[in-house]
Amino acid sequence: NAGVTQTPKFRVLKTGQSMTLLCAQDMNHEYMYWYRQDPGMGLRLIHYSVGEGTTAKGEVPDGYNVSRLKKQNFLLGLESAAPSQTSVYFCASSKVGALSYNEQFFGPGTRLTVL
Amino acid sequence: GQQVMQIPQYQHVQEGEDFTTYCNSSTTLSNIQWYKQRPGGHPVFLIQLVKSGEVKKQKRLTFQFGEAKKNSSLHITATQTTDVGTYFCAGRNRDDKIIFGKGTRLHILP
Repeated sequence: NAGVTQTPKFRVLKTGQSMTLLCAQDMNHEYMYWYRQDPGMGLRLIHYSVGEGTTAKGEVPDGYNVSRLKKQNFLLGLESAAPSQTSVYFCASSKVGALSYNEQFFGPGTRLTVL
Repeated sequence: GQQVMQIPQYQHVQEGEDFTTYCNSSTTLSNIQWYKQRPGGHPVFLIQLVKSGEVKKQKRLTFQFGEAKKNSSLHITATQTTDVGTYFCAGRNRDDKIIFGKGTRLHILP
């Protein structure tokens, strides 16, 4: 099993450009998440999904859109990139259940720089 | 909004010394998880605590969940160089939302 994979690993964009980050998991997990990690800020939730075809806003959703057309994939889109979106982006997945053993499995991250 | 405060932000210890990081929530949590992130890596799950007053051990690591389910701690006994990294707590609130603390970066001095 590959676990959680992210594409690409690195990307440099110019302000105003658009791009899509792809997250894929092969563990048949219901829940998927997108986080951004900035120095001193920890992990902040951008958007998440509790199942195929569903998405919900997290703590910092502005400037991002997501789609979950297939259970195993969760896409994060930046329509018009801004320097403030320079960050490391992590995708994660977990099994469903509020009190069940639902650890999050993280992908390796995408390092995005917006010039 | 709800916050999960984690202290200290940084900790430098001599190899062999103990280390503790603390998490405090403004509201009661359903459970709390702990993750470790090595430099340049991604967060990796360590443990989940669910019950009030729960204590769990993993070798040199001891995790505690407070009686009021608003705070938690991670204690490492006799640190080793392999313990280097950032330790995050993540609390799940009653709305089933997960909120991460900002992490404690542990640096080991040889």
